[in-house]
Amino acid sequence: DGGITQSPKYLFRKEGQNVTLSCEQNLNHDAMYWYRQDPGQGLRLIYYSQIVNDFQKGDIAEGYSVSREKKESFPLTVTSAQKNPTAFYLCASSITPSDLGGNSPLHFGNGTRLTVT
Amino acid sequence: AQSVTQLDSHVSVSEGTPVLLRCNYSSSYSPSLFWYVQHPNKGLQLLLKYTSAATLVKGINGFEAEFKKSETSFHLTKPSAHMSDAAEYFCVVSEWEGRRALTFGSGTRLQVQP
Repeated sequence: DGGITQSPKYLFRKEGQNVTLSCEQNLNHDAMYWYRQDPGQGLRLIYYSQIVNDFQKGDIAEGYSVSREKKESFPLTVTSAQKNPTAFYLCASSITPSDLGGNSPLHFGNGTRLTVT
Repeated sequence: AQSVTQLDSHVSVSEGTPVLLRCNYSSSYSPSLFWYVQHPNKGLQLLLKYTSAATLVKGINGFEAEFKKSETSFHLTKPSAHMSDAAEYFCVVSEWEGRRALTFGSGTRLQVQP
């Protein structure tokens, strides 16, 4: 079955350490996204990529970095510069890169819950 | 600028009774509107979408939503709740702001009592 795989499901890190969250898709989608979800809030866009070797900052990119070396993969690094990294992180993809989920639906992975102490 | 307000953070219904989850939006132009559902510790799944066609939109699992431009609302309904409907529901608005931007509501947690 096609889908998006995020790993690991739970991740624990000490403050000051960088950590990388994995996102792999086999849907052959061009566009991929990273969202952050906090309790009682909607999703907020961190970064998005419309094509391989290109990515753009979303609304809350500070303290995060990404790469898009392969169509299937869009890893997110949470750096020590991120002030409040504990959150639920969701990766998504969509078939049409130009509309960024505005018409074609987003397909989501099951998320990674990051806890930093 | 666009925004979306989900009017209830929690809704509780009994199994077999109707569901109403309320969403109001603001948008400068003609928006696209969506409802997504999220089960615990899972990603979001699209329930339905409105993109300027019919104002009454039918989605999966018996859900539907009506786009009312005069009221700037896009409420989600289901005639009869099932236990498996217990989840969090997000209303999402999309419009062009230099790039296509999605704005998520803060979510409504639906509880279904037996």
